[in-house]
Amino acid sequence: DTAVSQTPKYLVTQMGNDKSIKCEQNLGHDTMYWYKQDSKKFLKIMFSYNNKELIINETVPNRFSPKSPDKAHLNLHINSLELGDSAVYFCASSQKRTGDTEAFFGQGTRLTVV
Amino acid sequence: AQTVTQSQPEMSVQEAETVTLSCTYDTSESNYYLFWYKQPPSRQMILVIRQEAYKQQNATENRFSVNFQKAAKSFSLKISDSQLGDTAMYFCAFENTNAGKSTFGDGTTLTVKP
Repeated sequence: DTAVSQTPKYLVTQMGNDKSIKCEQNLGHDTMYWYKQDSKKFLKIMFSYNNKELIINETVPNRFSPKSPDKAHLNLHINSLELGDSAVYFCASSQKRTGDTEAFFGQGTRLTVV
Repeated sequence: AQTVTQSQPEMSVQEAETVTLSCTYDTSESNYYLFWYKQPPSRQMILVIRQEAYKQQNATENRFSVNFQKAAKSFSLKISDSQLGDTAMYFCAFENTNAGKSTFGDGTTLTVKP
């Protein structure tokens, strides 16, 4: 069973479009994240949700809007896509309450904006 | 703000030999966690090893061990008996127990040569 799953795995879209990436975790974790890995492989956090509440919102354009319908899901919606949004986006989860802070990552979504 | 520095963008090692990847970090906190993650060409992010700052004993996981020097704020990863499957990008990460997120270094690309 996949612990953290993201869909789609690959996404190619045109500039100006709106797209969503879905993430689900079946680990019972209370915290979920979105990370962006750029073309130089640098990994930066974008958002963090704990029990459906936004707790971290790094400097990210407001075209990016996370949505957490429940503890097991954290979706990322991106409006008016730009070329610079091309990257690999990773969803992750961890269990903060018990102190097991290592993150379990999804397989990543490679977004290409053309 | 915490920073994590990996000073070796690329490294290579012969199969069966030992290699050490360096990581330094900067923080004023006393309670935190440190991690090494591996990202093979498959893109999946995998936890290799974790260390709690309050533990003096260095963490080990089979062929992977760390040299944690808290005073020097250093957290290097040693890979013994390197295998071809160890070829990957390795990320050092820091997490303040109260911050709710991990800060990642820029990564070290390790190539194991046959």
